[in-house]
Amino acid sequence: ETGVTQTPRHLVMGMTNKKSLKCEQHLGHNAMYWYKQSAKKPLELMFVYNFKEQTENNSVPSRFSPECPNSSHLFLHLHTLQPEDSALYLCASSQEGAGVHSGTDTQYFGPGTRLTVL
Amino acid sequence: KNQVEQSPQSLIILEGKNCTLQCNYTVSPFSNLRWYKQDTGRGPVSLTIMTFSENTKSNGRYTATLDADTKQSSLHITASQLSDSASYICVVSGGGGSQGNLIFGKGTKLSVKP
Repeated sequence: ETGVTQTPRHLVMGMTNKKSLKCEQHLGHNAMYWYKQSAKKPLELMFVYNFKEQTENNSVPSRFSPECPNSSHLFLHLHTLQPEDSALYLCASSQEGAGVHSGTDTQYFGPGTRLTVL
Repeated sequence: KNQVEQSPQSLIILEGKNCTLQCNYTVSPFSNLRWYKQDTGRGPVSLTIMTFSENTKSNGRYTATLDADTKQSSLHITASQLSDSASYICVVSGGGGSQGNLIFGKGTKLSVKP
């Protein structure tokens, strides 16, 4: 295991539902990320939090709302989603964001939540 | 436009054989390149990372190469095992201080058959 857990592992929801995805990292990292992985497409970065502060919002629709109450926990709140939002949602953490780009740090991914929107 | 292209899209090989996966990128500026392995139903796991000055890096039976001049990288898998069946993702960091400047390839799906 990578030290990053995600719950639930699978989620089926209707377009009018409200649900939340949870991510927890046990690595003492300070940066956390949400990614969307759709079939036959590259991973898409959604949000980045560094020391609990959101430092990146990659033009994500407002029906996705992140929350980072502390450096160990990250949530993704979902409401009024569309069928095209069905995908694997991956959480990752790293020691701190800048190290990923300098080559001194790496991201550790959770197993993902498989989301299906009906 | 910053892009990472991987080939082939999918590959089937017999157990025990070697294979090479390709990654071409147009990301600029360049900071580092990583290869990840993603098993079905799991998140990606880092295999190797190479910065500009490195041209080869090994991790067990996995060997990655980098040619920064031609902007190409390869991942060579030696003596493949059934457990190597997975998607292999090439990721290039464009640096620049932006935490979001990670460019992901679509991955190569490798199937190792007995």
